[in-house]
Amino acid sequence: AQTVTQSQPEMSVQEAETVTLSCTYDTSENNYYLFWYKQPPSRQMILVIRQEAYKQQNATENRFSVNFQKAAKSFSLKISDSQLGDTAMYFCAFMKLYTDKLIFGTGTRLQVFP
Amino acid sequence: EAQVTQNPRYLITVTGKKLTVTCSQNMNHEYMSWYRQDPGLGLRQIYYSMNVEVTDKGDVPEGYKVSRKEKRNFPLILESPSPNQTSLYFCASSPALNTEAFFGQGTRLTVV
Repeated sequence: AQTVTQSQPEMSVQEAETVTLSCTYDTSENNYYLFWYKQPPSRQMILVIRQEAYKQQNATENRFSVNFQKAAKSFSLKISDSQLGDTAMYFCAFMKLYTDKLIFGTGTRLQVFP
Repeated sequence: EAQVTQNPRYLITVTGKKLTVTCSQNMNHEYMSWYRQDPGLGLRQIYYSMNVEVTDKGDVPEGYKVSRKEKRNFPLILESPSPNQTSLYFCASSPALNTEAFFGQGTRLTVV
């Protein structure tokens, strides 16, 4: 069975700084998908970034980028130029190929302070 | 506006009283799922549906039922709620496998 581990329950960063959230996963699959979702205080789940495991290039969305290390089964999220609106719970998630099931980690609560 | 709509957003009920949480999407998505979110556990899939009349269990299906009679609707039914079903519930829909899941606003359920 696949598992996703987020070892940092809480993190904080000053506005305009850079922060990296960690995520590791365990799977015997070779092809799969990885996601980062953001859950602000409104509790809405919002997709931040999606990575296909067979693509070596790291996904990037504006200030958000990932460091995908397939051999190490690591998928960290880097937020550059942090903004107050980035304050949220961040979930890392794994999805097997040809499925619709997201397997989530336990989340990292990020606080951005002025 | 493309969205997934859940109702109600908050619900307090008593043990054993049947309830239904509705979910509707207006994006013509094939795939729909229910997740529950608990502190320290993240989100876990309860049930999913790949199309009308096609549903299957996720990781934590005990105590829940679903139906998919129409493509847009995917209600979650708790026949006899118990306090351990107190949780935050999310409905999600996807246009295809391995694509972005669009989530509803969540339903905070408390069973006393």
